[in-house]
Amino acid sequence: AQTVTQSQPEMSVQEAETVTLSCTYDTSESDYYLFWYKQPPSRQMILVIRQEAYKQQNATENRFSVNFQKAAKSFSLKISDSQLGDAAMYFCAYRSNNNAGNMLTFGGGTRLMVKP
Amino acid sequence: GEEVAQTPKHLVRGEGQKAKLYCAPIKGHSYVFWYQQVLKNEFKFLISFQNENVFDETGMPKERFSAKCLPNSPCSLEIQATKLEDSAVYFCASSPSPSGANVLTFGAGSRLTVL
Repeated sequence: AQTVTQSQPEMSVQEAETVTLSCTYDTSESDYYLFWYKQPPSRQMILVIRQEAYKQQNATENRFSVNFQKAAKSFSLKISDSQLGDAAMYFCAYRSNNNAGNMLTFGGGTRLMVKP
Repeated sequence: GEEVAQTPKHLVRGEGQKAKLYCAPIKGHSYVFWYQQVLKNEFKFLISFQNENVFDETGMPKERFSAKCLPNSPCSLEIQATKLEDSAVYFCASSPSPSGANVLTFGAGSRLTVL
């Protein structure tokens, strides 16, 4: 079974600064996808970014980028130019790509606080 | 519709009462997933469906919890004889295919409070 670990329960960043959230995972599979979801106080789960394991190039979405290290099984999220609206819980998630309709496996989450 | 619709938003039950939550997946999405998020924020997978068929129920508590996805009806998650520890936010998500490439789209969640 796959596991996802987020070792930082809480992180804090100054507005306009950059912050990196850590995520590691454990799997014996070679074909999978990794995701970062944002959960603001409203509890709505919002997809931030997605990475295909077969792609070496790191995914980027505007101010959000990832550092995907497949051999190390590491998938960190970098938020540049942090904004107050970035304050939320962030969840790293794993999904197999074996066409078996597998569920997402989540990490425990990191609470990000943004200081004005 | 283009969103996963969950009802009710908030449900309060006394211990021992029944609770039933509903989820309408995005039209055309064949896969439905139920998750439980407890106060510690951890997500626990409960069950998934491929159309009306149970696909994976490895996370479902054997007692008290049941779920269905019937044709032309919202999916449902039912808890018989609720306990205090069932208090959580229950999320439904849907996906168009089994491919891992497909993003799961989540509903807004249903908060269950057991008193």
